[in-house]
Amino acid sequence: NAGVTQTPKFQVLKTGQSMTLQCAQDMNHNSMYWYRQDPGMGLRLIYYSASEGTTDKGEVPNGYNVSRLNKREFSLRLESAAPSQTSVYFCASSVSSRFSVPYGYTFGSGTRLTVV
Amino acid sequence: AQSVTQLDSQVPVFEEAPVELRCNYSSSVSVYLFWYVQYPNQGLQLLLKYLSGSTLVKGINGFEAEFNKSQTSFHLRKPSVHISDTAEYFCAVRGGGNTPLVFGKGTRLSVIA
Repeated sequence: NAGVTQTPKFQVLKTGQSMTLQCAQDMNHNSMYWYRQDPGMGLRLIYYSASEGTTDKGEVPNGYNVSRLNKREFSLRLESAAPSQTSVYFCASSVSSRFSVPYGYTFGSGTRLTVV
Repeated sequence: AQSVTQLDSQVPVFEEAPVELRCNYSSSVSVYLFWYVQYPNQGLQLLLKYLSGSTLVKGINGFEAEFNKSQTSFHLRKPSVHISDTAEYFCAVRGGGNTPLVFGKGTRLSVIA
């Protein structure tokens, strides 16, 4: 029962480098999300994918891109990392539908990213 | 659009004392409310949720929360805390359908022996 798996768990990047954070879920959830967590700021939504084939911007999308590769996988890419992107990144998934009562999310354990 | 305000950024409390973590929300539509807990260096875990029905919701680890529509609040309570409850607690709100969760900034609960 893996739930939501994020890789890597830790990463240090130099300013200007690129990288992709990977996220996979095995619960057959249709919706997936990327959040960043910064001290005193709570969790802020970067991008989300309500269903396979769709993606939407959240509160803080600048500097990021996403790909919903299939129903299981949702990756987050930093094309040119900046120190302001130093953060802990969480992926989450849920069952969501326009017609159903919303459920809570299942979260991964996070990726701690430092940009120097 | 929905938003959440957690009124206290830090709450210190002695072991076995009661605690209340406050959360207010704003929304122009029906809301669904959640409390999550984050233990050090871990992801978030769902404590409890209010979707409909009874306004008093019971969750895991002895926590409960009361939905108050007139005061737009969803405060989290526990009658007697333990050292192991030391963590950060997040209140969150979402509307219906595919709208994403919106989180508050968190309340750090520190239980003192």
